[in-house]
Amino acid sequence: AQTVTQSQPEMSVQEAETVTLSCTYDTSESDYYLFWYKQPPSRQMILVIRQEAYKQQNATENRFSVNFQKAAKSFSLKISDSQLGDAAMYFCAYRVGANSKLTFGKGITLSVRP
Amino acid sequence: GAVVSQHPSRVICKSGTSVKIECRSLDFQATTMFWYRQFPKQSLMLMATSNEGSKATYEQGVEKDKFLINHASLTLSTLTVTSAHPEDSSFYICSASHTGVGTGELFFGEGSRLTVL
Repeated sequence: AQTVTQSQPEMSVQEAETVTLSCTYDTSESDYYLFWYKQPPSRQMILVIRQEAYKQQNATENRFSVNFQKAAKSFSLKISDSQLGDAAMYFCAYRVGANSKLTFGKGITLSVRP
Repeated sequence: GAVVSQHPSRVICKSGTSVKIECRSLDFQATTMFWYRQFPKQSLMLMATSNEGSKATYEQGVEKDKFLINHASLTLSTLTVTSAHPEDSSFYICSASHTGVGTGELFFGEGSRLTVL
């Protein structure tokens, strides 16, 4: 069974600094998708960034980037120039196919200090 | 594009009553929708996978007679919590798969907060 592990329950970062959220996963598949979702207090799930496993290049979206290590099954999220609005719960997630379920990690609560 | 709407956003009901939550894909057809449940400060737990025109597939430990799922059209799936009890109080989130996009992304509704008195 596929599992997603986020071992850090909470992290804190100073505004304008950089923070990295870790995620590991376990799968026997060779082709899959990885995601980071943000859930602010409104509880709306917001896609932050996605990575297709067949792509070697790490995905980037403005201040957000990932370090995807396929062999190590690691998928960390780096947030640069942290902003107060980045404070939220972040979930790492895994998905195999177009109609398959999304498997989430336990999530990490990120706080941003002004 | 790829908007999923969930209704109601909040519902309060008395113990023993049934509550229906709707999940609609507004601008795309969703052959597959997923229902998740989330407790405060916890992750999303998949309850069931809803496929248009067929019976839902429930995750282990989820009572299919309590959580009725109907996916009657390509744009609508409903979750009915039958004979609700206080322990059913939770946040329920639906998501839909947009196969036309090709990114593997799931699109989420706004969620529904159920409180059973």
